[in-house]
Amino acid sequence: AQKVTQAQTEISVVEKEDVTLDCVYETRDTTYYLFWYKQPPSGELVFLIRRNSFDEQNEISGRYSWNFQKSTSSFNFTITASQVVDSAVYFCALSEKDGSARQLTFGSGTQLTVLP
Amino acid sequence: KAGVTQTPRYLIKTRGQQVTLSCSPISGHRSVSWYQQTPGQGLQFLFEYFSETQRNKGNFPGRFSGRQFSNSRSEMNVSTLELGDSALYLCASRDDRGFYNEQFFGPGTRLTVL
Repeated sequence: AQKVTQAQTEISVVEKEDVTLDCVYETRDTTYYLFWYKQPPSGELVFLIRRNSFDEQNEISGRYSWNFQKSTSSFNFTITASQVVDSAVYFCALSEKDGSARQLTFGSGTQLTVLP
Repeated sequence: KAGVTQTPRYLIKTRGQQVTLSCSPISGHRSVSWYQQTPGQGLQFLFEYFSETQRNKGNFPGRFSGRQFSNSRSEMNVSTLELGDSALYLCASRDDRGFYNEQFFGPGTRLTVL
């Protein structure tokens, strides 16, 4: 069975600090997809990134970066120079092997609070 | 393009009643999935519809059902409501024409069961 663990329930940082959100996953599939979503107070899940199991290259998008390590089954998310607008709940998710993401298995989420 | 829309946004019901939630996907998207979000269980997959057929189903009791119309709009129904059904219900749509496409989520319907 697939499982995603986000051990950090809540993180609080001061603006401009860097912060890393951890994600550890379990799957027996050799082909799988990992995601990060952001959920602001409005409730809507906002897609941030998708990574497939064959691509371990790290990715950077502006202040966001992701570190995927198959050896440790981790897919961590770093926000550099955090801003108050980054405050939200962040979810890591895993999808089944056909890549269709028809069924996402989510972690329990990490509540990030960025203080001014 | 307009995003995924869900109606109503908020709903209050009492135990034993039934409820119907609606989801309109992004134009052109034929796949619609539903998720339940609760503080205790987190985000859980309910079911997915594609071309009016249920293609995938999560581990929920039969009180939870859904359907999809020819225009891809989807509804989910919960019968005989229980207090534990209080949750944010999220709908997501996908294009499904490529090998892989992300799910885009709507703002959700917050259901409170009293």
